[in-house]
Amino acid sequence: SQTIHQWPATLVQPVGSPLSLECTVEGTSNPNLYWYRQAAGRGLQLLFYSVGIGQISSEVPQNLSASRPQDRQFILSSKKLLLSDSGFYLCAWSDQWAGANVLTFGAGSRLTVL
Amino acid sequence: AQSVTQLGSHVSVSEGALVLLRCNYSSSVPPYLFWYVQYPNQGLQLLLKYTTGATLVKGINGFEAEFKKSETSFHLTKPSAHMSDAAEYFCAVRGFQGGSEKLVFGKGMKLTVNP
Repeated sequence: SQTIHQWPATLVQPVGSPLSLECTVEGTSNPNLYWYRQAAGRGLQLLFYSVGIGQISSEVPQNLSASRPQDRQFILSSKKLLLSDSGFYLCAWSDQWAGANVLTFGAGSRLTVL
Repeated sequence: AQSVTQLGSHVSVSEGALVLLRCNYSSSVPPYLFWYVQYPNQGLQLLLKYTTGATLVKGINGFEAEFKKSETSFHLTKPSAHMSDAAEYFCAVRGFQGGSEKLVFGKGMKLTVNP
């Protein structure tokens, strides 16, 4: 069966520090991968999605970037965090043939920027 | 473009009462619609989905939703609320951009169940 892992689960970082959140999927090949951010009262915002290694699409211009160095690995990064980057970050995957029909989410990473 | 609207951010019901969470969508193509549930500090879990066929869709934990094209709605219901239903619920519609498919979520609705 397929599983999705995200880490770290919680992170407290000072403004201006770098960020790296990692997501890996097991039990499938060539998944579509997604990073969402959930900020209080603002629902889920799609940040990045990837349909293959090295293929990243950005939804919202911002202080963050994403990379997919391996088929089942998706990394969210920042060189210098802003206060507004605080939130709950969710990684998700879907089967390449199903598109976005069914998204399976990781447990999330809560980032607090102080 | 596709979008969903969940009016309000909080709903409170008594245990055993009907749960009704409203969702209206906008889509330029036949919609695929979803409801997800999020328990505190966890990821989202699929409750149910509508793609084609029967307009009344049954999901996990006793929830169901009915697709009504004429009303552009996909409201989520459960006849009798349980304390364990307390969570945040998100409606979503399949969206397209740049030839790629993705889900567009509403802002979510926090359900409180009172004893």
